[in-house]
Amino acid sequence: NAGVTQTPKFQVLKTGQSMTLQCAQDMNHNSMYWYRQDPGMGLRLIYYSASEGTTDKGEVPNGYNVSRLNKREFSLRLESAAPSQTSVYFCASSFRSRSTGDEQFFGPGTRLTVL
Amino acid sequence: GENVEQHPSTLSVQEGDSAVIKCTYSDSASNYFPWYKQELGKRPQLIIDIRSNVGEKKDQRIAVTLNKTAKHFSLHITETQPEDSAVYFCAASDAGSARQLTFGSGTQLTVLP
Repeated sequence: NAGVTQTPKFQVLKTGQSMTLQCAQDMNHNSMYWYRQDPGMGLRLIYYSASEGTTDKGEVPNGYNVSRLNKREFSLRLESAAPSQTSVYFCASSFRSRSTGDEQFFGPGTRLTVL
Repeated sequence: GENVEQHPSTLSVQEGDSAVIKCTYSDSASNYFPWYKQELGKRPQLIIDIRSNVGEKKDQRIAVTLNKTAKHFSLHITETQPEDSAVYFCAASDAGSARQLTFGSGTQLTVLP
């Protein structure tokens, strides 16, 4: 099992450019999440998908859109990148059940710089 | 929404000593409290979690305590080792359908040899 994978690992954009961050999991998890991590601020939830076909806003959704393509894949799109979106982006997934609990498994992250 | 505060932001201990990190939360509906460890340049990984029907949980050198009345929970690491050096995050969530986690701002733990 690869777990949670993300592409790309690094990306540099100019202000106003668009891009899509890709995330996939092979653990048959129901829920998927996108976080951003900024120095001194922990991880903040951007969007999440409780199950295939549903998406909801998290704490900091402005400037982002998401697509739950299927059970495995959850993408994050920046339509018009801004310097304030410079951050490390983590995708995570979880499978809620009494036996496996609520652990969220994180991907390796995407380091995004917007100039 | 939920607000999680974490202290201290940095902590240095001598190898073999204990380390304690404390978090408070605001939403009384929160009932799941995980702790994540993140090494430099790596992804966060769950090290221990606790649910609100339990007051304490231990796993070898790591323990977490929860005080629901005061809305705070703590991570205790005993007999610290250099490999414990990392950033530790607490988090809280309610029983919603997707377990939205609200994270604390992190504690940089340094274990000095």
